[in-house]
Amino acid sequence: DIQMTQSPSSVSASVGDRVTITCRASQDITRWLAWYQQKPGKAPQLLIFAASNLQSGVPSRFSGSGSGTHFTLTINNLQPEDFATYYCQQAQSFPLTFGGGTKVEIK
Amino acid sequence: EVQVVESGGGLVQPGWSLTLDCVGSGFSFKTHRMGWARQAPGKGLEWVSSISNSGDRTYYADSVKGRFIISRDNSRNTLYLQIDSLRAEDTAIYYCARDFCDSGNCGWLDPWGQGTLVTVSS
Repeated sequence: DIQMTQSPSSVSASVGDRVTITCRASQDITRWLAWYQQKPGKAPQLLIFAASNLQSGVPSRFSGSGSGTHFTLTINNLQPEDFATYYCQQAQSFPLTFGGGTKVEIK
Repeated sequence: EVQVVESGGGLVQPGWSLTLDCVGSGFSFKTHRMGWARQAPGKGLEWVSSISNSGDRTYYADSVKGRFIISRDNSRNTLYLQIDSLRAEDTAIYYCARDFCDSGNCGWLDPWGQGTLVTVSS
């Protein structure tokens, strides 16, 4: 199985900041990576697929990059509605696997 | 609007069985792979199972293999998850999701339903 490791597990930031979250895969997944946002009590929402493709309706302040085993999610100009938990997920092969999550908290 | 809606969760005793339903609307259900994921209280996301658009191929996490059965009825736009021999560690919110494809590349889960809570306790 492909293991996904996210860092940090939590980050404190202020409105307007840039936040970067890292996701590492235990083996090469080329660009088979997605990022999700989950707010408390809500279902996850797809933000980015294929490492860098923004899902329809997602603000352009979100961006993804990377390939192989190292990926990043960047949130520019952090907004109040962006405080949430973010997960990466590999889609290279079954079983699909998620990272442990990164909670973005208000400083 | 593309959406999926789960139902069927509840409080069940260890060892019992339960079937979760998920109805899709706003998209061509029969052309999409579908899947289930779960989230234990206060924990992260765990993929559970997926099924091909026709239902002829199924995939399971090792943690549920042999106890969970995924199936679908394309005539009813409905996905199912049968859970047997329920254990306390199966307690979680169970989410249904469409497998979103872009240019033939699939594996992205979108959208997710609101989830249905399964609590296993005596």
